[in-house]
Amino acid sequence: GAGVSQSPSNKVTEKGKDVELRCDPISGHTALYWYRQSLGQGLEFLIYFQGNSAPDKSGLPSDRFSAERTGGSVSTLTIQRTQQEDSAVYLCASSLAHLDDPAFGYTFGSGTRLTVV
Amino acid sequence: AQSVTQLGSHVSVSEGALVLLRCNYSSSVPPYLFWYVQYPNQGLQLLLKYTSAATLVKGINGFEAEFKKSETSFHLTKPSAHMSDAAEYFCAVTRSGGYQKVTFGTGTKLQVIP
Repeated sequence: GAGVSQSPSNKVTEKGKDVELRCDPISGHTALYWYRQSLGQGLEFLIYFQGNSAPDKSGLPSDRFSAERTGGSVSTLTIQRTQQEDSAVYLCASSLAHLDDPAFGYTFGSGTRLTVV
Repeated sequence: AQSVTQLGSHVSVSEGALVLLRCNYSSSVPPYLFWYVQYPNQGLQLLLKYTSAATLVKGINGFEAEFKKSETSFHLTKPSAHMSDAAEYFCAVTRSGGYQKVTFGTGTKLQVIP
């Protein structure tokens, strides 16, 4: 597609439930990133996928968080047993950046606003 | 480790006035630096980037930023603010030489007063 698409745009869930957030990157972009944006905070890195390489999961805050990327395209971020502190905007970005040139910059989706009640 | 510090979480300027958003970076190696803009309920959009070429970088919508190594700064400026510039602005840093995560600042919300 023309841009990075995220769904749903808004999600309200009850504490303890699992949620899945979806990201469709720009076609041909090999790199895909998930960030979390909490009120008054910067963007917190969660996970990075690059082609067929093992993902960099170093930013995932707990084992309740996981992500996968199928066929090098669509990615799903799953949060199990959601807690109120998980409430945030989850942003996905994709990039043409390769390992030796991180300077292409990212294209971001509009995000999923997750509210845990 | 790399980091960026954005001074001022909120900045207000009058329409037509100079916009100055401050960003200082910390990096043990030559950095790549970015400014992104986020309009309400939207994702982030790349404004401009510094990648060790010219130290004065021009971006979209009339914004520019100057890389000053001696001051470890990469401040964003625009000579004349427009109402449509009201948004949140993020400074970010990464480095060359293999895969490196991009680290973002905490953002500065720009308010433009008519």
